Amino acid sequence: GENVEQHPSTLSVQEGDSAVIKCTYSDSASNYFPWYKQELGKRPQLIIDIRSNVGEKKDQRIAVTLNKTAKHFSLHITETQPEDSAVYFCAASIWGKLIFGQGTELSVKP
Amino acid sequence: GAGVSQSPSNKVTEKGKDVELRCDPISGHTALYWYRQRLGQGLEFLIYFQGNSAPDKSGLPSDRFSAERTGESVSTLTIQRTQQEDSAVYLCASSERGTGGALEQYFGPGTRLTVT
Repeated sequence: GENVEQHPSTLSVQEGDSAVIKCTYSDSASNYFPWYKQELGKRPQLIIDIRSNVGEKKDQRIAVTLNKTAKHFSLHITETQPEDSAVYFCAASIWGKLIFGQGTELSVKP
Repeated sequence: GAGVSQSPSNKVTEKGKDVELRCDPISGHTALYWYRQRLGQGLEFLIYFQGNSAPDKSGLPSDRFSAERTGESVSTLTIQRTQQEDSAVYLCASSERGTGGALEQYFGPGTRLTVT
């Protein structure tokens, strides 16, 4: 079945630095790749997504890139702020259902 | 408008008891999904509804787990004869449609289930 691998599991950066989280997926039929941010005890919140016909998408300090050939996609956060600290999940969608990575705990130190 | 809601927010039950978890999706969303999140883990897909039919039940971990949906609204996830390994947060999500072009899924706050 579909599998999504996410790295790193933890990431610590200084405020103002960039953070990069990488995911790979196994099923080439996947066509939708969302990223969710989950703060402690809260529900996952969609922060950005990309579809398989696009290679890159940017929204202010957040960008996502997709390499369909290599079956990997990445989240880039620039100018990190303490409020970016959370667990980030990537996911790949096949026929609607989302298959999630295991999450990256991002810590932004002031 | 109102987001996805779930009830109860917390449920503590004894091993062997049955539990029912409820999800109210965003009005007009035809697709509804159930996920499970164990402590410190990612989200595991359980089941997906398009309208009131369930084209994908592949994630249900055992026959103790079942779900139903009334029309294009409320869904209930039932766990029979609960076990301690069922302890997790159960999250519901909805989207405007399912297959044929995946759309954004919006999550509810979850039900934290603790089996003692």
